[in-house]
Amino acid sequence: QMHLVESGGGVVQPGRSLRLSCAASGFTFSSHGIHWVRQAPGKGLEWVAAIFHDGSNEHYRDSVKGRLTISRDDPTNTVSLEMTNLRGEDTAVYFCARDRGWWGQLTWYFDLWGRGTLVTVSS
Amino acid sequence: EIVLTQSPGTLSLSPGERATLSCRASQSIGTYLAWYQQKPGQAPRLLIYDVSKRPTGIPARFSGGGSGTDFTLTISSLEPEDFAVYYCQQRGDWPPITFGQGTRLEIK
Repeated sequence: QMHLVESGGGVVQPGRSLRLSCAASGFTFSSHGIHWVRQAPGKGLEWVAAIFHDGSNEHYRDSVKGRLTISRDDPTNTVSLEMTNLRGEDTAVYFCARDRGWWGQLTWYFDLWGRGTLVTVSS
Repeated sequence: EIVLTQSPGTLSLSPGERATLSCRASQSIGTYLAWYQQKPGQAPRLLIYDVSKRPTGIPARFSGGGSGTDFTLTISSLEPEDFAVYYCQQRGDWPPITFGQGTRLEIK
């Protein structure tokens, strides 16, 4: 069975850093782009970042550029999101999600999601 | 950034009824639209992509239509497990891709 499992969330003070991980299993990880999507408490979904299947390119929403970095490690089937200089508005459940496409450009549709990990930025 | 506006905010219906959810884009996105279902405490599930295509395993009672700026998700006959929040998402102009604010489908 195919799975994505996020970890690394927690409570962190504004300005501090946190690293989230997403572990994949049950599918050919290196074939798919991976995204991070977040959801603030009681709110809707917001796309955050994406990385190509081969790690050759990354995309970020403007509000996180320069603060969040997505990366992948294919030998361990893991995608990470390094989060620095965190702000209150970064408080959310962070989901990793698989891009529906494979071996090429991102389709920007998400066909497999993890259950999410909660990040709370508070002093 | 393209803004997606979903309506209604809440839809109250009974099992067996037909549900029609709407999503309007602030500019044309062609046919690059998806729908997701999210239940409390769970991750979203992809129901429809490219306006009307269903991934494997999605029941045929879910269908999508529209193009340009106006789109609909129709559930032909509601099952108890269909009561959830539904989001539309566009990939016509990226990054960023954007989601609508959601429609809550509740049991009447």
